[in-house]
Amino acid sequence: EAQVTQNPRYLITVTGKKLTVTCSQNMNHEYMSWYRQDPGLGLRQIYYSMNVEVTDKGDVPEGYKVSRKEKRNFPLILESPSPNQTSLYFCASSLMVASGKYEQYFGPGTRLTVT
Amino acid sequence: GQQVMQIPQYQHVQEGEDFTTYCNSSTTLSNIQWYKQRPGGHPVFLIQLVKSGEVKKQKRLTFQFGEAKKNSSLHITATQTTDVGTYFCAGDSKGAQKLVFGQGTRLTINP
Repeated sequence: EAQVTQNPRYLITVTGKKLTVTCSQNMNHEYMSWYRQDPGLGLRQIYYSMNVEVTDKGDVPEGYKVSRKEKRNFPLILESPSPNQTSLYFCASSLMVASGKYEQYFGPGTRLTVT
Repeated sequence: GQQVMQIPQYQHVQEGEDFTTYCNSSTTLSNIQWYKQRPGGHPVFLIQLVKSGEVKKQKRLTFQFGEAKKNSSLHITATQTTDVGTYFCAGDSKGAQKLVFGQGTRLTINP
């Protein structure tokens, strides 16, 4: 089954304790992205990657890191989490197509609480 | 930077009534996409509009892309309880999959 998986699905942590949220897709997609969703703000892009070893900042990258060493994986790293990073996080992937037609497939989400 | 505004933020309707959500971008878009997120779920792709003035239909859903490629709308005819959820538009101004999402319209339905 074609899917995007994220782990963990729920996480409660404390300020300053490094954490990683994993994202994996089995569709051989070149493009992957991380979003955070907060009430009233929609989804905001954190980082994206257009292929292996190619990553770039989205609209709200502060406090986050990413890496893309393999095509299928795109982990999100919070080196020193703070309470304002409490949010619902989504990973998404899609094909890169020359026609400009694409659709993003989203993972199930990770609900992170930083106390 | 690019902004995408979506209204209304909430809409409550009786089952069988129509529903419309509107999306407006501060910049001209390469394409616009619509996603639906059920309560507790993740966004699911509905459609992508690329051409100026484009209108697409999916059963009871009608999507429009404005002539200037800066606004869009989603209209649902005769809502059903399965339509409950939050509808997001997402604009791509550069054609590089850098989507900027609207705030979403949360639709609730009285059966």
